[in-house]
Formats: sequence, C-alpha cells, structure tokens
Amino acid sequence: DVKVTQSSRYLVKRTGEKVFLECVQDMDHENMFWYRQDPGLGLRLIYFSYDVKMKEKGDIPEGYSVSREKKERFSLILESASTNQTSMYLCASRDISNYGYTFGSGTRLTVV
Amino acid sequence: DQQVKQNSPSLSVQEGRISILNCDYTNSMFDYFLWYKKYPAEGPTFLISISSIKDKNEDGRFTVFLNKSAKHLSLHIVPSQPGDSAVYFCAAMVGATNKLIFGTGTLLAVQP
Repeated sequence: DVKVTQSSRYLVKRTGEKVFLECVQDMDHENMFWYRQDPGLGLRLIYFSYDVKMKEKGDIPEGYSVSREKKERFSLILESASTNQTSMYLCASRDISNYGYTFGSGTRLTVV
Repeated sequence: DQQVKQNSPSLSVQEGRISILNCDYTNSMFDYFLWYKKYPAEGPTFLISISSIKDKNEDGRFTVFLNKSAKHLSLHIVPSQPGDSAVYFCAAMVGATNKLIFGTGTLLAVQP
C-alpha cells in the first residue's frame, strides 16, 4: 500500500512565523500535491509538482511556496503565517500510470 | 469560479436505504471523474471513478452515473450503512493535466 505521511497532525503557530509542512511518500510517485480543505469550499489546490525540482502554482498559491528537492518529499512553506491560513492541509501523491491520488492524513494548522 | 459543484452540503438517509449524492460540472473538457470519501481527521480515500467514455461504473454497493449532456454525475450507495457516514467529494480531471478539481463536498449521515 502507498503511504503518504504528513509529519504533524496538529500545529499551532503564531502570526508572522515561517511554517514548514512536510510530506513524504514511499512509492516513487512522480506527482505530488498540496491542498487545503475549508468548510464550504472543499479541497483547493495550492501547489503541485510533476517531478523533482518542478513546481506549478495551483488555484490559491498566494502566501505559500513549496520545495521538492527529493522525489519522495514535498514541503509546503508558509512564508509569514496569517490567521486566514488556519486550515486543514492535505498532501497527495500520484503515479502517472493511474488517475487516483493517495492522500496523507492531513495537518490541522491553527495560526493565532 | 467553481468548476465542480456539489449543491447539497448535507444528506441524511436511513440505514438500508439508497443514498444519492450529486455533482455538477461546467468544464466540458473533463474526461475523468472520481469520488472520494473523507472521515474527520483523516485524508480522503478513493472510492470509485468513471471515464467520460462510459455512463456507469459499479463497484459493490457503489455505482457512479455520468450524464455528459447534462454535465452531471451521481454516486449511488445501496444499501447505505452507518459506516458510510462521511464527507463525499466529487472530483474531475482533464486528461494529462494531472490536476484534480474537487467539489465542495457533501456530508452524508446514515441513521441506524
């Protein structure tokens, strides 16, 4: 079974802090994604990566950046956390040979 | 602009009855559709998918119907079980883009 592991289940950070959310997958998938889930808004794509050192903006990239130095790891960075970035963050990976995504368990981030 | 819409935020059904979750989309270029199920504090898990060349796909208690002319798909769960209580997300993809566009989700509650 593919595993996508997000390093933290719950995080509380202060406004203005730089925040790193880490995601690791163990199945050599090329594609990786970061989404956030908010009530009434569903899952919205922040950034994605087709392969190592490649990244593309999703629908809501403002205030975020990403890093993919190794194939298995995709990091989401909040440059200066704000309260409107309080959300559930979900990482996913995908093998290019099939359509389905495998998601991690999510990180519930609260910015105070 | 929401390309994938789930107009019912919630649905309640009795155990043993049919659950029907609906999804509408606006982009006629979508050619693959998926349903994901999400429990609280967990990542979404893949449930069932359908290609645009089909109008029905069945997997056990779950059936997805696609009406391309109406740009509408639905997920039928028969019979519904209390363990099916979760948020269900509809998602769509355009071929090689690898990006899944998600709907806002429908919270299904199956009453014992």
